[in-house]
Amino acid sequence: QSVLTQPPSVSGAPGQRVTISCSGNSSNIGAGYDVHWFQQLPGTAPKLLIYGDTNRPSGVPDRFSGSKSGTSASLAITGLQADDEADYYCQSYDRNLIVWAFGGGTKLTVL
Amino acid sequence: QVTLRESGPALVKPTQTLTLTCTFSGFSLTTRGMCVTWVRQPPGKALEWLALINWDDDKYYSPSLKARLIISKDSSRQEVVLTMTNVDPVDTGTYFCARIATPEDDLNYYYYPMDVWGQGTTVTVSS
Repeated sequence: QSVLTQPPSVSGAPGQRVTISCSGNSSNIGAGYDVHWFQQLPGTAPKLLIYGDTNRPSGVPDRFSGSKSGTSASLAITGLQADDEADYYCQSYDRNLIVWAFGGGTKLTVL
Repeated sequence: QVTLRESGPALVKPTQTLTLTCTFSGFSLTTRGMCVTWVRQPPGKALEWLALINWDDDKYYSPSLKARLIISKDSSRQEVVLTMTNVDPVDTGTYFCARIATPEDDLNYYYYPMDVWGQGTTVTVSS
């Protein structure tokens, strides 16, 4: 049981927009701790995609965006491409558990 | 350029002790704001945070694994070592190390991301 809750899977056609939710509580996201998103392509290490709720590292296309409200956060991907097919994880700090918590991951399928 | 690389045995027997090494370059763990963390991923499953050590030698552990983990650093060798005792087949998976870096004027590393990851090392626990 992950501290942060994500849908197991989402899908969309090329060119479409999809969102992935990340639900926490008052001891992690709701406490103001930043949410970060990682993309993990098959057989590779996670790659930082969004940091500090909304920021993109250099090199990440602006098709990827993050948002946060209350105890939840979301990752949006516009203009879906075949190579966006991957697992996506949210991550935040939990002050009660004293852990760097991950969501359970969401598998994105591009139809 | 910041890089991290994990190393360790590919196969360990149940009840044995697993020792993993993260060798890094491009930053120093003596610099205020620098941390190295370990994350694992069982086959087909989600990422799981294990442990973190910071520049000041503060150490944090996953509560569920705390009794079995020890994290340590050798700053001169640019290494962080994770030891896991009494391994079990459920410990099978890929183990990653990653860096967390904060500005020296903001040492709240709880807020900062794991910005650079190693490629991971795969460990199988089996007799």
